[in-house]
Amino acid sequence: GEDVEQSLFLSVREGDSSVINCTYTDSSSTYLYWYKQEPGAGLQLLTYIFSNMDMKQDQRLTVLLNKKDKHLSLRIADTQTGDSAIYFCAEKTGANNLFFGTGTRLTVIP
Amino acid sequence: DTGVSQNPRHKITKRGQNVTFRCDPISEHNRLYWYRQTLGQGPEFLTYFQNEAQLEKSRLLSDRFSAERPKGSFSTLEIQRTEQGDSAMYLCASSFARGPTNYGYTFGSGTRLTVV
Repeated sequence: GEDVEQSLFLSVREGDSSVINCTYTDSSSTYLYWYKQEPGAGLQLLTYIFSNMDMKQDQRLTVLLNKKDKHLSLRIADTQTGDSAIYFCAEKTGANNLFFGTGTRLTVIP
Repeated sequence: DTGVSQNPRHKITKRGQNVTFRCDPISEHNRLYWYRQTLGQGPEFLTYFQNEAQLEKSRLLSDRFSAERPKGSFSTLEIQRTEQGDSAMYLCASSFARGPTNYGYTFGSGTRLTVV
């Protein structure tokens, strides 16, 4: 079955890079996603990567996928205070739904 | 298009009462999903529709929960005889899927349910 794990907390200084990590267990994952959730709000899709890719870059965001180790990471360059939020990793397998991790709370220190 | 819209944003109800939430997906999206998120956890899948057909239900969806999407557009999620354990954020998402390809999920802002 699916299991997605993330560390619960990350603190970085404004202007530094943030790296949020995620591990998953289902090797049949087709797509892997990163979502951002601000307090009291829904989920905002940040980026996604297809399972046959190693890396995807989108402006300040870089996603790295190590399929052998089932490890996904999200790097945010030049982290800003507005990046403070909870970040969820999610995987889509053959089932028609997403399986989410518990989220990483990113705190950006001015 | 204003994205996925959910109403109400907040609902406080007494234990034992029935509640109904509504979700309006992005108009060209053929799939609609309901998720539940409790405090400190990631969202958990409840059910999804392809057009008006409900194709999958999680075991989290007890008999007290029912979801409909009568015309393949908006959807409602009803919880009967609410319990305190039903207190959560209920999230709706929609996507466009053609064959095996699903072009990404867009979430609404959610309905926060508090059962007192």
